[in-house]
Amino acid sequence: SQQGEEDPQALSIQEGENATMNCSYKTSINNLQWYRQNSGRGLVHLILIRSNEREKHSGRLRVTLDTSKKSSSLLITASRAADTASYFCATDPLWGGAQKLVFGQGTRLTINP
Amino acid sequence: DTEVTQTPKHLVMGMTNKKSLKCEQHMGHRAMYWYKQKAKKPPELMFVYSYEKLSINESVPSRFSPECPNSSLLNLHLHALQPEDSALYLCASSQERGRVGNSSTDTQYFGPGTRLTVL
Repeated sequence: SQQGEEDPQALSIQEGENATMNCSYKTSINNLQWYRQNSGRGLVHLILIRSNEREKHSGRLRVTLDTSKKSSSLLITASRAADTASYFCATDPLWGGAQKLVFGQGTRLTINP
Repeated sequence: DTEVTQTPKHLVMGMTNKKSLKCEQHMGHRAMYWYKQKAKKPPELMFVYSYEKLSINESVPSRFSPECPNSSLLNLHLHALQPEDSALYLCASSQERGRVGNSSTDTQYFGPGTRLTVL
């Protein structure tokens, strides 16, 4: 069963504004990852944050993780039309071997020019 | 080369047909995955192969039969599917982490998917 919940389910903002998406999960994790999916295509890995990290940056992306609240947020700054996509958080409960990613429900982000 | 390829891109099949989906990667990854994704839903893990051996089967019906003939290839054999099996099937690969992972090994690389329609 899916353990991640994301909000909002859909977000529409103007180009140049910041977009924030939230993710909650239920079990202990090794790491939490964020992926982007353009309509009907494969997923692209954006950023990974480990359970012992609180914040991570990558270009215009900022991810936070609060393991006490079992939640994470993804901030995209200075949004662009090309950022329009669905964004999924994914948690990995395993500590070795192959992964067993569990995806959240996703946030559909629309950037209006 | 960080590409995972999947063929075919689209597949339409009847409920009595037998077909196969193929996935290939040349990144030296030893973990490969099949996911199923329905419209406007997140991907759901189906199978995981680690060093060419099936390590996780998420209670997938036997009409889906995975196969990993070598470290670069992953197949999904389909037989007697139902219309509700229509979905986007995604393949992914990652490094196998051994006992402890790190950021460089925990990234999964996804293929573009096969859009399957069962009539």
